[in-house]
Amino acid sequence: GAVVSQHPSWVICKSGTSVKIECRSLDFQATTMFWYRQFPKQSLMLMATSNEGSKATYEQGVEKDKFLINHASLTLSTLTVTSAHPEDSSFYICSAKGGGSGYEQYFGPGTRLTVT
Amino acid sequence: KQEVTQIPAALSVPEGENLVLNCSFTDSAIYNLQWFRQDPGKGLTSLLLIQSSQREQTSGRLNASLDKSSGRSTLYIAASQPGDSATYLCAVGDNDMRFGAGTRLTVKP
Repeated sequence: GAVVSQHPSWVICKSGTSVKIECRSLDFQATTMFWYRQFPKQSLMLMATSNEGSKATYEQGVEKDKFLINHASLTLSTLTVTSAHPEDSSFYICSAKGGGSGYEQYFGPGTRLTVT
Repeated sequence: KQEVTQIPAALSVPEGENLVLNCSFTDSAIYNLQWFRQDPGKGLTSLLLIQSSQREQTSGRLNASLDKSSGRSTLYIAASQPGDSATYLCAVGDNDMRFGAGTRLTVKP
């Protein structure tokens, strides 16, 4: 149990276009979902936290108008990278948790975004 | 702000050795500490989760300890195998999970 999927697993897009990444909890209801970014040979950095039906909370330095997060249901969150640029190329990982404080986060397999 | 540090950054050992990976954190008021494995280009595999009230967790050849007062955790891997080669990440927190930079482990046959 506790499986989180991401789609697509990799995507290549041209500079200036927008890309949407989906994160789904397959066998539990995710009250909270998280989006992380990982640059090569660096660790994961939390970008934003989203609760179902609410606006996402972004970490300092993350542009909310560039990284649009929608958490419309208890099993799906989407991250849209708008007007992507080469510096947005990164590994994006989502996670989900089904309960409140102390509950474990379950991580998706990640999405490799390359902007050319 | 929570800072998580992992030492060493890289480690290379011969097969069969026992090894210890270290993780330290600056704020001892944590909910959970979790160890993950990440293979190149892949997502995270959760290895062990230690809740704040616990001192250690074991799974197979892996043992993780937690000392909140000193802000440290160790991951002990017994009888290492080439298949253990990966990057090991330590993360602390609950909703605001903070990750260390990882230890890149290579186990040579």
